[in-house]
Amino acid sequence: GAVVSQHPSWVICKSGTSVKIECRSLDFQATTMFWYRQFPKQSLMLMATSNEGSKATYEQGVEKDKFLINHASLTLSTLTVTSAHPEDSSFYICSARSSGRDYNEQFFGPGTRLTVL
Amino acid sequence: GQNIDQPTEMTATEGAIVQINCTYQTSGFNGLFWYQQHAGEAPTFLSYNVLDGLEEKGRFSSFLSRSKGYSYLLLKELQMKDSASYLCAVLDSNYQLIWGAGTKLIIKP
Repeated sequence: GAVVSQHPSWVICKSGTSVKIECRSLDFQATTMFWYRQFPKQSLMLMATSNEGSKATYEQGVEKDKFLINHASLTLSTLTVTSAHPEDSSFYICSARSSGRDYNEQFFGPGTRLTVL
Repeated sequence: GQNIDQPTEMTATEGAIVQINCTYQTSGFNGLFWYQQHAGEAPTFLSYNVLDGLEEKGRFSSFLSRSKGYSYLLLKELQMKDSASYLCAVLDSNYQLIWGAGTKLIIKP
């Protein structure tokens, strides 16, 4: 159990376009989802925390108007990178925490590799 | 501020044992995680320690000393597939995960 999926796995887009990444908890309800970004050879950087039905909490330095997060249901959160630029190219990973399981454990999705040309 | 330190890179030989250390200074403590991350993939859960002592799980063991703000991950009988980055992360008082930069482990035949 405790499977988190992400879609798409990878995406290549032109500069200026918007890209939506979906994160789904497949076999549990995720009250909290986290979005991370990871640049090559660097550790995970938390971008934002989203709770179902409320606005996301963004980390310092992350533009909320550029990285739109929607957590409309207990099994789905989306991250939209608006007007993407080459510097947004990165590995985006979501994780989910369940209210029904061990409160402390986060389950990670497989990640989405974004390349902006 | 919050800080987690672990070595940047370590090298070990196939079949040997390696210990990866992690020290932390965080606002509150609700447990420490170790994750394994292969290049280009998401992290996978290895262990969780919230009480002092050693937790053993197959070839991998994790140790915690809360008074010292210290943990280590011990990998035995190293295999080539163990080449990966190992991330130490602490759950702080707000239940936020604070991540270390990761230790890249290189296994040589």
